[in-house]
Amino acid sequence: EAQVTQNPRYLITVTGKKLTVTCSQNMNHEYMSWYRQDPGLGLRQIYYSMNVEVTDKGDVPEGYKVSRKEKRNFPLILESPSPNQTSLYFCASSRDRESGYTFGSGTRLTVV
Amino acid sequence: LAKTTQPISMDSYEGQEVNITCSHNNIATNDYITWYQQFPSQGPRFIIQGYKTKVTNEVASLFIPADRKSSTLSLPRVSLSDTAVYYCLVGPTGGGNKLTFGTGTQLKVEL
Repeated sequence: EAQVTQNPRYLITVTGKKLTVTCSQNMNHEYMSWYRQDPGLGLRQIYYSMNVEVTDKGDVPEGYKVSRKEKRNFPLILESPSPNQTSLYFCASSRDRESGYTFGSGTRLTVV
Repeated sequence: LAKTTQPISMDSYEGQEVNITCSHNNIATNDYITWYQQFPSQGPRFIIQGYKTKVTNEVASLFIPADRKSSTLSLPRVSLSDTAVYYCLVGPTGGGNKLTFGTGTQLKVEL
């Protein structure tokens, strides 16, 4: 089944403890992206990637890192999480510029 | 990126046609118009995309006037399961660009 898989689905962590949210797609898509969703703010793009080793900042990149060493994987790294990064995170992938995104099921992160 | 404006919420009844309009006055020549649907705690799902005139698929229709400054998503004969948030996006599509979703339109369908 074609899909975008995120792990974990739920995560509670403490301030300052580094964490990684993994994202993998099995559709051989060129493009991948990370979003966070907060009540009243909609979905905001964190980072996106156009291909292996090619990444760029979205609208809210502060406090996040990404890497794209393989085409299928696009992990989101929080080096020192803070409570304001408590959010619902979505990873997405797209075949090309004219195709829509396929989204993962989301990761609900709580930083205490 | 072109900013979009869409109603915050809409109500409808089962079996009715629902039209959600999105304004995008600053749309650029190479921008597409794309609509997504999102259910609570799920990722958005691509519904339809168009550049001009009318596009139809098995789920919805998208109407785009000649000036492309607005677009209308049409959902025929909605059911309770169409209750969701609908997002209008304008810009180069796909993952290779900054893509802003906004806050969307909450559609509520009742019996």
